Amino acid sequence: EVQLLQSGGGLVKPGGSLRLSCEASGFTFNTYSMNWVRQAPGKGLEWVSSISSNSVYIYYADSVKGRFTISRDNAQNSVYLQMNSLRPEDTAFYFCAREWEDWGQGTLVSVSS
Amino acid sequence: AIRMTQSPSSFSASPGDRVTITCRASQHISSFVAWYQQRPGKAPKLLIFGASSLHNGVPSRFSGSGSGTDFTLTISRLQSEDFATYYCQQYYSYPQTFGQGTRLDIK
Repeated sequence: EVQLLQSGGGLVKPGGSLRLSCEASGFTFNTYSMNWVRQAPGKGLEWVSSISSNSVYIYYADSVKGRFTISRDNAQNSVYLQMNSLRPEDTAFYFCAREWEDWGQGTLVSVSS
Repeated sequence: AIRMTQSPSSFSASPGDRVTITCRASQHISSFVAWYQQRPGKAPKLLIFGASSLHNGVPSRFSGSGSGTDFTLTISRLQSEDFATYYCQQYYSYPQTFGQGTRLDIK
């Protein structure tokens, strides 16, 4: 069974940093690209970032480029989202996804003073 | 960025109804469209990929069609568990983009 277990959300002040983690199991992690998607409370889905299986190809939404960094550790079956210079508009539930077939449970990031 | 416009944004239907949701892309995207169902407080679930291919385990009452710029998701006979929000997504190019969502309520 595919599982994506997320951790690392929480409350942070504007300008602060957080690192989200997504630990995968139940599939051969190093053969799949991974994605991060977010959803502000009561709003729609917004693609954030994607990373290829070997980390060669990385993409970001313009709204997070230069502030967020996606990475993965295939030995640890994990993908990460390092979020710096956080803004109130980054407040959202963040989901990791295995390509687009399976999704993590989501973790809430709140940016507020 | 490619814009995905869904319609309607919300509507009400009854169990047993046949419903169709449409999604229009702002430019040609071949068949690189997926559809998702999201229930409140839950992660999205993939229903359809490649515009018309049913994801593993998804009931056959769900179907997708279209190519180019116009796409549809059809639910042939609504069941109680189908009342949720539905999103289309294009993965033809980055940035990948989602439609704004269609909320389906019980009439």
